[in-house]
Amino acid sequence: QKEVEQNSGPLSVPEGAIASLNCTYSDRVSQSFFWYRQYSGKSPELIMSIYSNGDKEDGRFTAQLNKASQYVSLLIRDSQPSDSATYLCALEITGTASKLTFGTGTRLQVTL
Amino acid sequence: DGGITQSPKYLFRKEGQNVTLSCEQNLNHDAMYWYRQDPGQGLRLIYYSQIVNDFQKGDIAEGYSVSREKKESFPLTVTSAQKNPTAFYLCASKVGLDTGELFFGEGSRLTVL
Repeated sequence: QKEVEQNSGPLSVPEGAIASLNCTYSDRVSQSFFWYRQYSGKSPELIMSIYSNGDKEDGRFTAQLNKASQYVSLLIRDSQPSDSATYLCALEITGTASKLTFGTGTRLQVTL
Repeated sequence: DGGITQSPKYLFRKEGQNVTLSCEQNLNHDAMYWYRQDPGQGLRLIYYSQIVNDFQKGDIAEGYSVSREKKESFPLTVTSAQKNPTAFYLCASKVGLDTGELFFGEGSRLTVL
């Protein structure tokens, strides 16, 4: 089993809808979780970080973490065409010298 | 403006040639990383460095080498021993060893002909 798993998509949502992106992980000692957005041909940029169970909101983005069930999700409200990108889930495993492990990403398409 | 600069952005090389990718940061970050990205495979860690004159292998270090002679610089050499070097290479840094927010350069796309 991969350490970080994401559905590759594409996930297609209409403009204005809520996009829900999910990520599961296999390690039980991960402490920090991150969502990165990557446009085609560009480098990833950090969208959200979450460190404790529950929800964390930042504008149209909400990250949700459930350590007991080993999943982290990203909700994008009022989806816009500019949100069309690949979303990478990443986690930092305790005791690995601050290395991040990335999932393969979910491609999101927001349609007009 | 502070940031991470990678060069060159695009690079073509013949098979069997070594190539060095540059990564410079003026963010005063301690830790620096090199990742490789292939289509559909996400980011895989090649090498990382937490302090000057020290670096560690990541998950796919074979065929690569690095140096960290200055805090600002972390060049990556793709050697002829790397069997499939064509990829998108990303350099990243972060401010400290305990925080996880990684900042990326714009990437270098290497194509081996």
